[in-house]
Amino acid sequence: SQKIEQNSEALNIQEGKTATLTCNYTNYSPAYLQWYRQDPGRGPVFLLLIRENEKEKRKERLKVTFDTTLKQSLFHITASQPADSATYLCALGVDNTDKLIFGTGTRLQVFP
Amino acid sequence: GAVVSQHPSRVICKSGTSVKIECRSLDFQATTMFWYRQFPKQSLMLMATSNEGSKATYEQGVEKDKFLINHASLTLSTLTVTSAHPEDSSFYICSASQGTTNEKLFFGSGTQLSVL
Repeated sequence: SQKIEQNSEALNIQEGKTATLTCNYTNYSPAYLQWYRQDPGRGPVFLLLIRENEKEKRKERLKVTFDTTLKQSLFHITASQPADSATYLCALGVDNTDKLIFGTGTRLQVFP
Repeated sequence: GAVVSQHPSRVICKSGTSVKIECRSLDFQATTMFWYRQFPKQSLMLMATSNEGSKATYEQGVEKDKFLINHASLTLSTLTVTSAHPEDSSFYICSASQGTTNEKLFFGSGTQLSVL
């Protein structure tokens, strides 16, 4: 069956450290993968998109990798801050449309 | 950046009534909008894809007669939860595409529906 799993329902790290979140999928062949941030009671906000032919993407303190062989994406936040505390969702683009299928999410808590 | 407005943000209704949720793209035309629902501490589950001027495409297990979707214009899609029951209580979120595939989606702020 098709699955998108984000390892670690919750991740707690100290301010200044690098947070690494994992997204694994099975039985999908996504053309691209996206990462979103969601705060409680709010809709997701787009962070980064990485395509199947790209290995790595960076944006300020954020870095995403995409390994289609391992069927895995890693999402890194360097020099993490308490304001980075939120739930982070990976999403796969399927069927060559704009339709996104979301992962289970990881709740990140950055402590001062 | 593109803005998607969703109303209401919160609604409480009695069992058996119908509730309409609006999703508007404020500064762009959205040929496709998506409706998701989210239970506490769970991820977003896609309910249906809404295309302007045509019938919505529902995901497996979603009752189309229960969740009526109308996408009458390029800037407005509505989701009506008909004859709501307590189990329909959830967080409903819409998102809109600017029309190019493989690009990011813009999400509304969500609607928390509580059915008593």
